[in-house]
Amino acid sequence: GENVEQHPSTLSVQEGDSAVIKCTYSDSASNYFPWYKQELGKRPQLIIDIRSNVGEKKDQRIAVTLNKTAKHFSLHITETQPEDSAVYFCAAEDSSYKLIFGSGTRLLVRP
Amino acid sequence: GAVVSQHPSRVICKSGTSVKIECRSLDFQATTMFWYRQFPKQSLMLMATSNEGSKATYEQGVEKDKFLINHASLTLSTLTVTSAHPEDSSFYICSATRVAEAFFGQGTRLTVV
Repeated sequence: GENVEQHPSTLSVQEGDSAVIKCTYSDSASNYFPWYKQELGKRPQLIIDIRSNVGEKKDQRIAVTLNKTAKHFSLHITETQPEDSAVYFCAAEDSSYKLIFGSGTRLLVRP
Repeated sequence: GAVVSQHPSRVICKSGTSVKIECRSLDFQATTMFWYRQFPKQSLMLMATSNEGSKATYEQGVEKDKFLINHASLTLSTLTVTSAHPEDSSFYICSATRVAEAFFGQGTRLTVV
């Protein structure tokens, strides 16, 4: 089955700097890669996603890149703000719509 | 976006009792729903796939007799934690997929004392 690895587990950046979180997946049949932001005790919120027919997608300060050959995808947050502080999860979805999550990255943006 | 509602949001139960958690898709029909468990400071781990009108499929290591799943209608799946023990204390969260996007319930914080 699918296995998703995520790095780093914690990330501390200065406000205004960029943050990059990386994930790798194992199942080449996976074709949908969402990123979620989760605040303590709340449901994951989709922040951006990418499908396997696209290499990059951007939404304001957030971008995601996908390298299908290498089976890795990354989240890029530019001009970070304190409210970006949260736990971020990557995920890979297989053909049966199962989402397999990465281990999470705790992002701290220092004012 | 689509709405998935989960109830209750919090529950405290005594060890040995059973707890039922409901997951409803409010504005769409979901033939498939998913149940996840999340321990503190850990990731969401897929427990099982709930299939409307048929048996749920469980991930490896998840006891089907302990975590009973019923998906009796296109808008409702229930997860029953039977004979709960303190180690079952966790955050349980469901999701349903609509137009290839997953929508999550609010989650249920289960505490077994």
